[in-house]
Amino acid sequence: GQNIDQPTEMTATEGAIVQINCTYQTSGFNGLFWYQQHAGEAPTFLSYNVLDGLEEKGRFSSFLSRSKGYSYLLLKELQMKDSASYLCAVRDSGRGSTLGRLYFGRGTQLTVWP
Amino acid sequence: NAGVTQTPKFQVLKTGQSMTLQCAQDMNHEYMSWYRQDPGMGLRLIHYSVGAGITDQGEVPNGYNVSRSTTEDFPLRLLSAAPSQTSVYFCASRDRGAEAFFGQGTRLTVV
Repeated sequence: GQNIDQPTEMTATEGAIVQINCTYQTSGFNGLFWYQQHAGEAPTFLSYNVLDGLEEKGRFSSFLSRSKGYSYLLLKELQMKDSASYLCAVRDSGRGSTLGRLYFGRGTQLTVWP
Repeated sequence: NAGVTQTPKFQVLKTGQSMTLQCAQDMNHEYMSWYRQDPGMGLRLIHYSVGAGITDQGEVPNGYNVSRSTTEDFPLRLLSAAPSQTSVYFCASRDRGAEAFFGQGTRLTVV
């Protein structure tokens, strides 16, 4: 099974930088995903890490350390529209090399203040 | 581009009724899943499928059935609705090694 932990809530001001942490314990690991979910909407994909290190995508970056079971999502130059829930998800090894199940943490509600 | 389509968007059921939540994807994805999302609980996996004719249970399968007769469709059946099944349900699909795409969700209330 999976045990995925992330903070429940975070707040930050417009223009700032925020880091959302995620720790996980897994029986088999095959990638870590970050999703953004605005209230009343479906989750949308932000980033994916399968190897250790940093992946950068515009204002968003995600980092992974497999040995520590740790990831973070870094959001730069925060904007009001970044107020949302951020979901950390781990894909397990599953049957076959990449067809694993995707398990989610409980999400971190980020509020960006003007 | 339709992507992942869920119907209905909203539904109210009486305790004991049965119904089917529909999910269809037009991206030829092998892998499809059903999740439920409750306040403070995140997304929990109900059932998933790695291809037509193949399904398996997730974290919270009790009270739900699925089938996958085609690549495109993955319906979720509630056999006898209970108030504990009041939730928002999301269907997702993905291809090998790729990110999941979600439908817009079905908000279900069981009274």
